[in-house]
Amino acid sequence: AQKVTQAQTEISVVEKEDVTLDCVYETRDTTYYLFWYKQPPSGELVFLIRRNSFDEQNEISGRYSWNFQKSTSSFNFTITASQVVDSAVYFCALDRGSTLGRLYFGRGTQLTVWP
Amino acid sequence: SQTIHQWPATLVQPVGSPLSLECTVEGTSNPNLYWYRQAAGRGLQLLFYSVGIGQISSEVPQNLSASRPQDRQFILSSKKLLLSDSGFYLCAWSVGGLTSGSDEQFFGPGTRLTVL
Repeated sequence: AQKVTQAQTEISVVEKEDVTLDCVYETRDTTYYLFWYKQPPSGELVFLIRRNSFDEQNEISGRYSWNFQKSTSSFNFTITASQVVDSAVYFCALDRGSTLGRLYFGRGTQLTVWP
Repeated sequence: SQTIHQWPATLVQPVGSPLSLECTVEGTSNPNLYWYRQAAGRGLQLLFYSVGIGQISSEVPQNLSASRPQDRQFILSSKKLLLSDSGFYLCAWSVGGLTSGSDEQFFGPGTRLTVL
């Protein structure tokens, strides 16, 4: 069975702090895809990143970075020098890769960045 | 560029009333389309997905149904709403065709439904 766990329900930080959002997944598939989405207060989910199971290279995009470790089944997301605009709910999701767009979402982490 | 629209943005309906939520996508052809529900507690649950006109797959048994009368139109319906149908409904699309599921999904702005 597929499962995504985001153990952190809520995180609060002060602006300019670094923050890491954890994501642990379960799957028996050898091919799968991992995603992060951001949901600002407006409600619309914004795609951040996609990673396939064969690419364990970490990725950096501006203040965002992602650490994918198959050995621990984790795909963590770090925001460096957080800003108030980063406040949102962040979702990690898993796609098996063998079915059409069947995304398994974690329950999300509410990040609040205080000025 | 592609855009996805949902309406209405908010809806308050009495228990037992019918429901129709609409989603349309512009700027792409033959997309895969999805309906999700986000209940209190923030988790997203896939309700339906469609790979083409008239082709609907249901993920969970429920009080809702979906239809795809046109290539870029996806409708979520109910004949009689329940209190438990309250939530935030999101439509999404991804590139269609023989995808392995690797393509990201792009979400609409959502409809907030309150059933009283």
